[in-house]
Amino acid sequence: AQKVTQAQTEISVVEKEDVTLDCVYETRDTTYYLFWYKQPPSGELVFLIRRNSFDEQNEISGRYSWNFQKSTSSFNFTITASQVVDSAVYFCALSEPRLAGGTSYGKLTFGQGTILTVHP
Amino acid sequence: DAMVIQNPRYQVTQFGKPVTLSCSQTLNHNVMYWYQQKSSQAPKLLFHYYDKDFNNEADTPDNFQSRRPNTSFCFLDIRSPGLGDAAMYLCATSRDKGGAYNEQFFGPGTRLTVL
Repeated sequence: AQKVTQAQTEISVVEKEDVTLDCVYETRDTTYYLFWYKQPPSGELVFLIRRNSFDEQNEISGRYSWNFQKSTSSFNFTITASQVVDSAVYFCALSEPRLAGGTSYGKLTFGQGTILTVHP
Repeated sequence: DAMVIQNPRYQVTQFGKPVTLSCSQTLNHNVMYWYQQKSSQAPKLLFHYYDKDFNNEADTPDNFQSRRPNTSFCFLDIRSPGLGDAAMYLCATSRDKGGAYNEQFFGPGTRLTVL
């Protein structure tokens, strides 16, 4: 069965520190997609990044970078020079193709989330 | 801006009293999802609609129902709320093509309290 593990429940850093959020997943599918979402105190989950199972190229977007390693089933997220506004809960999620009623949809399995607090 | 809107943001109901949560979207997405997120837990998918086709997750209790009268609106009905149903309920949408590839756009959630 699909599973996403975020071993770090809470992380606390001081502004400008780098921080890495770990994500390990399990799936039997050969085609799948990995996502990171941010959930600020306001509640809505905000999409950050998507990776498909065939693309192990790392990605950098501003202060954010992602390291996808299929060999270790990991999809880690690093924030460089963290800021107070980065404080939120971060969820790693696995999306697997599923069929229902003849149509394909993505079933998201979320990790437990990592609470990141960035202190000034 | 195009978005996913949920009303109300906070809902208080009594044990056993039916309650309806609403979600609307201006993204014109075909797929709409309802998730339940209990305190300090990951969101859990309850069901989704592809257009008007309703798809229930196998472990979603019968107490939870949904309606989608048109593309823009979707409702979550809890027929007889129990204390264990207190949670944040998140609505999300995604484009129809691409299936698992497409990111989901989430609303701010409705926090349900059951007294």
